[in-house]
Amino acid sequence: NAGVTQTPKFRILKIGQSMTLQCTQDMNHNYMYWYRQDPGMGLKLIYYSVGAGITDKGEVPNGYNVSRSTTEDFPLRLELAAPSQTSVYFCASSIARGGVSNEQYFGPGTRLTVT
Amino acid sequence: DAKTTQPNSMESNEEEPVHLPCNHSTISGTDYIHWYRQLPSQGPEYVIHGLTSNVNNRMASLAIAEDRKSSTLILHRATLRDAAVYYCILRDGNAGNMLTFGGGTRLMVKP
Repeated sequence: NAGVTQTPKFRILKIGQSMTLQCTQDMNHNYMYWYRQDPGMGLKLIYYSVGAGITDKGEVPNGYNVSRSTTEDFPLRLELAAPSQTSVYFCASSIARGGVSNEQYFGPGTRLTVT
Repeated sequence: DAKTTQPNSMESNEEEPVHLPCNHSTISGTDYIHWYRQLPSQGPEYVIHGLTSNVNNRMASLAIAEDRKSSTLILHRATLRDAAVYYCILRDGNAGNMLTFGGGTRLMVKP
């Protein structure tokens, strides 16, 4: 299994541009998550999904959108990039049995700079 | 959300045991204690979790105080590869599977 893969690894955007960060997992996990990590800080949850067709906001959802049309894919969209969105973005997945998930698996991250 | 408090940084010598403390005085009865670590330039990695009893796995041990207001992650023999930021996280067993990361403890391992 490749686990959780993310593309691209790095990206530089100009203010106002848009882009989609891709995330794919091949473990048949039902839960998927997007986090951002600013320098020297812990991770903050942006959006999450408990299954295909279901998404919900996390702690810092403003400026982002997500969709979950398949179990495997959970793309994160930035519509109007702002310098405050400069960060490292991590996608994660987990399997929940009876609504309980004990371990999240993280991807390698996408480093995004907005100038 | 119940919060955790960890030292900003700790140092250890290679091949010695490491005890990483975490205080969570406002923990509720349904909160699980999770530990993740993040190696430089990588995503976080699950280490261990527990509810009330001490737990052991191939990576580490988790010692939970009897009143559950604190816990300690134990690395039995630190290696250079264990240098990372270690996060102690409380997950509410009744509120889904969200993790709230704090600042963590940066562990430095000296050869």
